[in-house]
Amino acid sequence: GIQVEQSPPDLILQEGANSTLRCNFSDSVNNLQWFHQNPWGQLINLFYIPSGTKQNGRLSATTVATERYSLLYISSSQTTDSGVYFCAAPFGAGSYQLTFGKGTKLSVIP
Amino acid sequence: DAGVIQSPRHEVTEMGQEVTLRCKPISGHDYLFWYRQTMMRGLELLIYFNNNVPIDDSGMPEDRFSAKMPNASFSTLKIQPSEPRDSAVYFCASSFHGPGEKLFFGSGTQLSVL
Repeated sequence: GIQVEQSPPDLILQEGANSTLRCNFSDSVNNLQWFHQNPWGQLINLFYIPSGTKQNGRLSATTVATERYSLLYISSSQTTDSGVYFCAAPFGAGSYQLTFGKGTKLSVIP
Repeated sequence: DAGVIQSPRHEVTEMGQEVTLRCKPISGHDYLFWYRQTMMRGLELLIYFNNNVPIDDSGMPEDRFSAKMPNASFSTLKIQPSEPRDSAVYFCASSFHGPGEKLFFGSGTQLSVL
């Protein structure tokens, strides 16, 4: 099945700073999603982005499917952005099983 | 919509007891997924349903685990008998027309088996 690797594993930011999180995947995908798990454990879907770029407020994501990576940008970070960010892609072609990366743990300090 | 609703939020039980976790998917979603999250293994898919029918249960770790979806608005994940290594957060998630659409998670059930 597909391998999903995220970097960096940990990131500490000062409030107001910008950051870029990366997700590499081992096979072509038609489905790539980013999730945020907040410190209370809730998983929130941020983006469904198999290709191209999407923006939602201070967050944006870009997937370059031909080069098998996706980037999540966080601008003007806030303490509420803290948590773990996961990307997920289908286990295999036509698969309905999403494989999750190990996540990037982000800590935004005031 | 209230989102995906799971109960209980926390469950503490003793080894050997039966545990039942419950999930109500988002209305209109035809796919339902059960995931387990641990520090060691991350998020793992256990089983998923399409239109109440189990499609892939290859992630279910052992025969002690079973899942049902008697109707479009309710699913259960049962562990019998429970073991300490089953301690984890169990998430239910749903989507419309499968993972090609956005996946929405419930708040999870934190299970502790003593």
